[in-house]
Amino acid sequence: GNSVTQMEGPVTLSEEAFLTINCTYTATGYPSLFWYVQYPGEGLQLLLKATKADDKGSNKGFEATYRKETTSFHLEKGSVQVSDSAVYFCALRRGADIQGAQKLVFGQGTRLTINP
Amino acid sequence: DTGVSQNPRHKITKRGQNVTFRCDPISEHNRLYWYRQTLGQGPEFLTYFQNEAQLEKSRLLSDRFSAERPKGSFSTLEIQRTEQGDSAMYLCASSLAKLAPRTGELFFGEGSRLTVL
Repeated sequence: GNSVTQMEGPVTLSEEAFLTINCTYTATGYPSLFWYVQYPGEGLQLLLKATKADDKGSNKGFEATYRKETTSFHLEKGSVQVSDSAVYFCALRRGADIQGAQKLVFGQGTRLTINP
Repeated sequence: DTGVSQNPRHKITKRGQNVTFRCDPISEHNRLYWYRQTLGQGPEFLTYFQNEAQLEKSRLLSDRFSAERPKGSFSTLEIQRTEQGDSAMYLCASSLAKLAPRTGELFFGEGSRLTVL
């Protein structure tokens, strides 16, 4: 079946540190991959996405590259800020769902705390 | 505010009672989704609507759960005879079907938290 595995949290870093949150997936076919972020007191919102192998998604200084050979979509940021403190979810959508439902399969989430 | 709105934000109930949650999607969005999120886990798909038609239901959605979207706008999720295992955050999301192939983006509400005592 389809599944997403994220690195265990919580993750605590100092401001300006380099961030990596690992995400690996299992899926048949060619899924689309996403990172969603949930800031305190808010709903999940799309951070970035990639729809095919070797695509790089980027937004707000975050990046992730769709690696089919390692079935990974790791999230990175070169210099984190206190405002990046949130819960980050990796997710996939099956290729077969392109025209149909946006049924996302989520990882368990990684809580990130950035200290000043 | 033109985002996805969910009510109530928090519901505490006793086992065996019925509860209903409401979701108001972004006004022009024709697809509406319900997800459930338990503590420490990511959201899990429950069901979705395109306009007023309920097109798919997950196996997670037992017979005690029913969702409706009568006029293709707001939706309700009712849980009958609640059990402690139903305690979770119920998330609603919406999207535009015509954009699905390109973006895949869902717009989520803040969720309705259910606590069953």
